[in-house]
Amino acid sequence: QSALIQPASVSGSPGQSITISCTGTNSDVGVYNYVSWYQQHPGEAPKLMIYDVSNRPSGVSIRFSGSKSGDTASLTISGLQAEDEADYYCNSYRSGNTYVFGTGTKVTVL
Amino acid sequence: QLQLQESGPGLVKPSETLSLTCTVPGASISSPSYYWGWIRQPPGKGLEYIGSIYYSGITYYNPSLKSRVTISVDTSKNRFSLKLSSVSAADTAFYYCARLIWREAFDLWGQGTLVTVSS
Repeated sequence: QSALIQPASVSGSPGQSITISCTGTNSDVGVYNYVSWYQQHPGEAPKLMIYDVSNRPSGVSIRFSGSKSGDTASLTISGLQAEDEADYYCNSYRSGNTYVFGTGTKVTVL
Repeated sequence: QLQLQESGPGLVKPSETLSLTCTVPGASISSPSYYWGWIRQPPGKGLEYIGSIYYSGITYYNPSLKSRVTISVDTSKNRFSLKLSSVSAADTAFYYCARLIWREAFDLWGQGTLVTVSS
């Protein structure tokens, strides 16, 4: 099944805000508010950062926020910090009781 | 603290069956609030959903892998398992087990285990 589309890389300076897009279809992102975002540091397992488009699990910094418009979801990181440098993946529930991940975005803090 | 732990062979021969188990110490796999899933990640590449299971045995699979995947649950041992048949080098990946809040998110993950397919 085809993956959600994310930019390969996004970069920003400390303190800046960056936004990562996640484009799907009318079988997933476009029709369900079940988009989640994961942060993955090298050699580690993914960590849930956002669920249901814009909700933060307990313990996740308020600098992370999510939104959605049409077929595209977005993750915004405000006040960028060195520790935010990682890979980020979106995920969506898809029609037919399955799930699809995004292609992944490498965030670099300059 | 709740942790998930994958276990199984790190090396599998081509055409054979990959088998992994995920144990969930500290929580009941029979909780009605969660599904339990498998996700994989080839080295240096992205994440791919494999499938998920409910404690009652209901399963859902990625359509692209469905013909080769079987996920099962053993509530008496508080664990669930993955079998992937007819493996090839393309199945070499880190395999993660995770807790799934149905439709919403994979909220807890195991540390992952690398399975290499090679003769």
